Amino acid sequence: EIVLTQSPGTLSLSPGERATLSCRASQSVSGSKLAWYQQKPGQAPRLLIYGASSRATGIPDRFSGSGSGTDFTLTISRLEPEDFAVYYCQQYDSSPRTFGQGTKVEIK
Amino acid sequence: EVQLVQSGAEVKKPGESLKISCKGSGYSFTTYWIGWVRQMPGKGLEWMGIIYPGDSDTRYSPSFQGQVTISADRSITTAYLQWSSLKASDTAMYYCARSREAGMLHRSFDSWGQGTLVTVSS
Repeated sequence: EIVLTQSPGTLSLSPGERATLSCRASQSVSGSKLAWYQQKPGQAPRLLIYGASSRATGIPDRFSGSGSGTDFTLTISRLEPEDFAVYYCQQYDSSPRTFGQGTKVEIK
Repeated sequence: EVQLVQSGAEVKKPGESLKISCKGSGYSFTTYWIGWVRQMPGKGLEWMGIIYPGDSDTRYSPSFQGQVTISADRSITTAYLQWSSLKASDTAMYYCARSREAGMLHRSFDSWGQGTLVTVSS
């Protein structure tokens, strides 16, 4: 099983600032089969990024993903008020399709 | 518009059985894998398993194998998650979600149901 470790656990930032979230895999994720999801309280997760760097339909371009192998990054270039949420990475390269434990982006 | 609509919240006692549902619409139900994800109170997301409604090919996470059963009824475009004997530790929100690309197993989830809250308490 591929274990995904996200850091930091919590990120305290102000609107307008840049957010950088990390996801590290215990073994290589082939084909960059890594996704990022956003979850707000009381809501289902929403797909942001797939294939490590492709934005899902309707996702603003302030969200970007990068990385390959075992190290992946989600960047939010300028935080908007609606971006404060929990973010999860997920690998879908091998079974089981594991998720990271999440990074909470909170208002400073 | 792709929609996954899940059944309503359930309150059950330990040892009882339960089957929750996820109805897909707005797309070809039989050609997209549908998965189930657990979220325990205040915790993260856990991938449980996935089914291809076209032929009912099903894969389970080892953590959930033997604990739940995933099924689908193509005639009513509905996927199911069921338990034969619930435990208090099954208390969680359960989401269904669709794979992003038709016919492809190794894809992210691009559409999600609203979630079904299952509470198991004596």
